[in-house]
Amino acid sequence: GDSVTQMEGPVTLSEEAFLTINCTYTATGYPSLFWYVQYPGEGLQLLLKATKADDKGSNKGFEATYRKETTSFHLEKGSVQVSDSAVYFCALNLISSGSARQLTFGSGTQLTVLP
Amino acid sequence: DTAVSQTPKYLVTQMGNDKSIKCEQNLGHDTMYWYKQDSKKFLKIMFSYNNKELIINETVPNRFSPKSPDKAHLNLHINSLELGDSAVYFCASSQSAGAEAFFGQGTRLTVV
Repeated sequence: GDSVTQMEGPVTLSEEAFLTINCTYTATGYPSLFWYVQYPGEGLQLLLKATKADDKGSNKGFEATYRKETTSFHLEKGSVQVSDSAVYFCALNLISSGSARQLTFGSGTQLTVLP
Repeated sequence: DTAVSQTPKYLVTQMGNDKSIKCEQNLGHDTMYWYKQDSKKFLKIMFSYNNKELIINETVPNRFSPKSPDKAHLNLHINSLELGDSAVYFCASSQSAGAEAFFGQGTRLTVV
């Protein structure tokens, strides 16, 4: 079935380091792909999205490219800040039973950025 | 003005009690969801409603019963609470099923 596999954490980086969080998916169709971020004590917020192959989503210095050939949607940021410390979730929308679409999330990756 | 609001934010209750969590969205969205997040941050969808109609009902104990009185509200009632129900419950909404979702702040339920 359709699923999302996300790099396990936790990930600890120093400020200004380069960040990559890997995300791969399996899907029978052509899902849209999302990255969500959850700051401590808060709900999830959409960080970026891509709706078709080769699309690049970007926001707040984060980027991810929808790669159909490798079924991946890796999240990257060139220089992380302490304020980026959060849990990051990769997600896709897939067809559920009865043809209803739903968002399915990866297991989340905890990122801690040290000053 | 909060887009998706849920109450209460914290809920501590004893085993065996019945409790409700309320959710309201002012985004004009057609679809609403309940997700459960466990202590390891894993998110699992529980229910989804589209225009007040149940469209997704994952494998959830029937002690959990959602109710959608109108398109803007989706409440979750839990009967006979158990220790394993302790988690953070998130309400969310989207324009249509599977579209990008907007989440509430979560309700941290602790069953003692």
